[in-house]
Amino acid sequence: QVQLQESGPGLVKPSQTLSLTCNVSGGSISSGGYFWSWIRQHPGKGLEWIGYIHYTGNTYYNPSLKSRVTISGDTSKNQFSLKVNSVTAADTAVYYCATQAVTDARLDNWGQGTLVTVSS
Amino acid sequence: QLTQSPSALSASVGDSVTITCRASQAISSFLAWYQQQPGKAPKLLIYAASTLQSGVPSRFSGDGSGTEFTLTISSLQPEDFATYYCQHLNSYPSSFGQGTRLEIK
Repeated sequence: QVQLQESGPGLVKPSQTLSLTCNVSGGSISSGGYFWSWIRQHPGKGLEWIGYIHYTGNTYYNPSLKSRVTISGDTSKNQFSLKVNSVTAADTAVYYCATQAVTDARLDNWGQGTLVTVSS
Repeated sequence: QLTQSPSALSASVGDSVTITCRASQAISSFLAWYQQQPGKAPKLLIYAASTLQSGVPSRFSGDGSGTEFTLTISSLQPEDFATYYCQHLNSYPSSFGQGTRLEIK
């Protein structure tokens, strides 16, 4: 069972860059069977899929965020990361990392989530 | 785009409930359902419209194909009162329904 744990600052100032890391245990991000994904949830709202990275280095981002988002991976540390540039209050959310099956896109392992607040 | 109905419903322990997810275009059986407890990450319940994820109780069942899908929970247990989301699995970007909050009556 793959386990995921998000980490990063809980408070980010407007216009700055939000940076989060997802540490992976019980599996390897070099595994070809998964996309390594990020999802967020605005307070009291539904789920928004942000994007993924595959071990090949291929990435795919939600077009609604594509211009501001970068997902990268570090196989030596078995972790992957999310960066969101030029944040505003609208980026305040709980951010989740998850495994997304390459075969059928289901999200079968999730981190516990981390709340990031954008405020001065 | 996925539209869930109802947005919220109330039921009692022991009841059976059905939540519907409608897709704006046909997606075959490429649909998943998740359960989210307050303050917790979503949990995968069903994928491929009707395949139960390992470890999920058999009182949960999914059905449908094309544009209309259902999640049925039979004999509701106290731990089932949560918010439920559908997700389409047929293309990227992934997207979710807006959620259905199941409340105890």
